[in-house]
Amino acid sequence: AQSVTQPDIHITVSEGASLELRCNYSYGATPYLFWYVQSPGQGLQLLLKYFSGDTLVQGIKGFEAEFKRSQSSFNLRKPSVHWSDAAEYFCAVGPLEGTGTASKLTFGTGTRLQVTL
Amino acid sequence: ETGVTQSPTHLIKTRGQQVTLRCSSQSGHNTVSWYQQALGQGPQFIFQYYREEENGRGNFPPRFSGLQFPNYSSELNVNALELDDSALYLCASSLAARANVLTFGAGSRLTVL
Repeated sequence: AQSVTQPDIHITVSEGASLELRCNYSYGATPYLFWYVQSPGQGLQLLLKYFSGDTLVQGIKGFEAEFKRSQSSFNLRKPSVHWSDAAEYFCAVGPLEGTGTASKLTFGTGTRLQVTL
Repeated sequence: ETGVTQSPTHLIKTRGQQVTLRCSSQSGHNTVSWYQQALGQGPQFIFQYYREEENGRGNFPPRFSGLQFPNYSSELNVNALELDDSALYLCASSLAARANVLTFGAGSRLTVL
């Protein structure tokens, strides 16, 4: 069965500092990997997704993520955090498009990011 | 282009009651999925609707049911509410049943007393 682990429940960084959020996954086949962000009172917003190709994928808002197959990891990074990045971040895995229920994503439990000024 | 809208935003029910949550999909999207997000947890997939039929379901009992209408909007119905049903219910739409880029609504927060 697929699963996603986000080992950090809560992370605090200073504005302008770099950020790395960890994600490890378990999946029986080649998955799609996603990072979503959830601000209070808002729905989930897709930051980026990865299936194949270059293992470093760029997303919106200056975020990037690196896929490491050997470590089953898909960590999210940002070189310089802004106060507006404070939110909950979710890593997710899903099936290949066309194989099973495409919208059946499995999410991690999330990492809450706090940004200090 | 309008996004995904959900109603109501908040509601309180008591155990044993029934609830209906509504979702309007993003313009041009014909597939709707529902997720349950308990406090402190990630969203969990309930089911997906495409062409007015359920075509994928997570580990949820039959008392969780849904509908999709010809305009692609959707309803989530939960019967015989239990305390553990208290959660944020998220609706997501996508371009097609095989598409995995989801647009989420802000959710309906259900509290069961």
